[in-house]
Amino acid sequence: DARVTQTPRHKVTEMGQEVTMRCQPILGHNTVFWYRQTMMQGLELLAYFRNRAPLDDSGMPKDRFSAEMPDATLATLKIQPSEPRDSAVYFCASGHGQGTDTQYFGPGTRLTVL
Amino acid sequence: AQKITQTQPGMFVQEKEAVTLDCTYDTSDPSYGLFWYKQPSSGEMIFLIYQGSYDQQNATEGRYSLNFQKARKSANLVISASQLGDSAMYFCAMREGPSGYALNFGKGTSLLVTP
Repeated sequence: DARVTQTPRHKVTEMGQEVTMRCQPILGHNTVFWYRQTMMQGLELLAYFRNRAPLDDSGMPKDRFSAEMPDATLATLKIQPSEPRDSAVYFCASGHGQGTDTQYFGPGTRLTVL
Repeated sequence: AQKITQTQPGMFVQEKEAVTLDCTYDTSDPSYGLFWYKQPSSGEMIFLIYQGSYDQQNATEGRYSLNFQKARKSANLVISASQLGDSAMYFCAMREGPSGYALNFGKGTSLLVTP
């Protein structure tokens, strides 16, 4: 049963600290997405990749957020320095990039910045 | 401008009854895809059903069906024979353009199924 995996599942950190979230997309999927969910904003796109190349990161605060895909099995989202307003659930999703192109979501990382 | 509108913040339905969750969308792209996801209290996002803009028939997946009215730009989710386990948040989402693009999500509808 192929699934998107994310680590850590929960992270509590203090303001100013670096946070790294990791995602393993489903094997064979060539598109990877990072979404953030908050009560106020709902689900919003942060960045996404196709064949490991960044296609759109306009949803990310560039001064503190960075997203990379060092290889086809790993996507990372870093926040440095973190701020309380970054507290949210961060979801990674992956898809085939063709056909119906359903995006399958990971379980999310719940981030709390104190 | 909001791309996906879900006008019902919360809905109640009795067990075994059918319920319709509303979704309207806004796009000028002729090629798009519409998705519904379920988010139970545990937090995961579960894919339910997909409708492509060129699909002639309404999509169905088990107890889920999508009432696709292209001219009205609506893509309502119908859940038949509701079960207690259907209680969750439901999100409508749209992918504009061909495959491989990101999703725009609505704000969601909270569904509570009562015994």
